[in-house]
Amino acid sequence: NAGVTQTPKFQVLKTGQSMTLQCAQDMNHNSMYWYRQDPGMGLRLIYYSASEGTTDKGEVPNGYNVSRLNKREFSLRLESAAPSQTSVYFCASSAVGISYGYTFGSGTRLTVV
Amino acid sequence: QQQVKQSPQSLIVQKGGISIINCAYENTAFDYFPWYQQFPGKGPALLIAIRPDVSEKKEGRFTISFNKSAKQFSLHIMDSQPGDSATYFCAASITGNTPLVFGKGTRLSVIA
Repeated sequence: NAGVTQTPKFQVLKTGQSMTLQCAQDMNHNSMYWYRQDPGMGLRLIYYSASEGTTDKGEVPNGYNVSRLNKREFSLRLESAAPSQTSVYFCASSAVGISYGYTFGSGTRLTVV
Repeated sequence: QQQVKQSPQSLIVQKGGISIINCAYENTAFDYFPWYQQFPGKGPALLIAIRPDVSEKKEGRFTISFNKSAKQFSLHIMDSQPGDSATYFCAASITGNTPLVFGKGTRLSVIA
């Protein structure tokens, strides 16, 4: 099925461990995004990539790094996980521009203990 | 600073009733206002969107009302059904300039 694929779906990390969340889209979209969703906080933008080869910080970038590997793939890396990074992470992509037409993946539920 | 304020946090509506969710924004440069619907365990999905050149947009049972002078917009769900039970997010952006900024969400429960 066409869309945005995120892996893994669930992950438990110990404090200080590192990991990379993977995201791939097969819709030939130019722009990709990483959001985190916490109870009562809505969706907060971590990083985004307006086009292949560019990345920009969002509202809550601290503790994260991203890589736009190619047009299809946009990964999110936690170098040293902290309990405050326990969250549900969503990747999204858009075709027309960075402002609208978002398609979201189904999310990665991350727990840091 | 929260750019898009959404209320209420949660809402319980009887089947067949009208669900109303409100959002307010600060940045007068915003020119695109979508609503997203999210079911448990799924990612958000675009429900309906409006631009400030119109005051209302209707798609089936879902209507967005937009008040530019008050910097507010709202989602109305007519004849609410149990299948509408989900979390709803409003959002805003500046076309071609900024990514979407989301409200904190409203958890809607439609009870029979």
